Amino acid sequence: GQQVMQIPQYQHVQEGEDFTTYCNSSTTLSNIQWYKQRPGGHPVFLIQLVKSGEVKKQKRLTFQFGEAKKNSSLHITATQTTDVGTYFCAGRGSGTYKYIFGTGTRLKVLA
Amino acid sequence: GAVVSQHPSRVICKSGTSVKIECRSLDFQATTMFWYRQFPKQSLMLMATSNEGSKATYEQGVEKDKFLINHASLTLSTLTVTSAHPEDSSFYICSAPDNAADTQYFGPGTRLTVL
Repeated sequence: GQQVMQIPQYQHVQEGEDFTTYCNSSTTLSNIQWYKQRPGGHPVFLIQLVKSGEVKKQKRLTFQFGEAKKNSSLHITATQTTDVGTYFCAGRGSGTYKYIFGTGTRLKVLA
Repeated sequence: GAVVSQHPSRVICKSGTSVKIECRSLDFQATTMFWYRQFPKQSLMLMATSNEGSKATYEQGVEKDKFLINHASLTLSTLTVTSAHPEDSSFYICSAPDNAADTQYFGPGTRLTVL
């Protein structure tokens, strides 16, 4: 079945440094979503990417969908302590509404 | 934006009892809802797809007699954990796709603790 992996599993950065998490699917995706989950909270939707090669920006966050629609990345510029949390990608295969979540990347930002 | 609610947010029960969790889409209709389970420091694992008016579809390895799903209406799905055991303690989250918006919305989750 479809598998979605993320790397790295953990990342500790100094405040102000950049951060990137990578998401790789075993199958071609129809679209991909990114979520942020704070400790003790539920996943909060960040963005959805649909088109091959698509790039979207939200302030300091840049999201990219690969040309083959099998991978994606989330890049945070100049991290802040408020960026702490676990970032998940969730990919949807063709012909289904099911989203399979990636393994997640836990980000810690040191002040 | 669209909202999905879950009830209860937390539940503590004794081993052997059954617990029902409700998931509601508040301002849109959802013919399909998804149930996920998340163990501490792990990802969300899809358990089953709840289908309004028909049987739920379970992912491999999920016992359908253990996790009963009922999609009673276009805005309500319930998950019942039957004969709960401590290993069922987890965070259960539902989501509902909003086809018009081509996205899905998550509920706030239910933290189940089985003693």
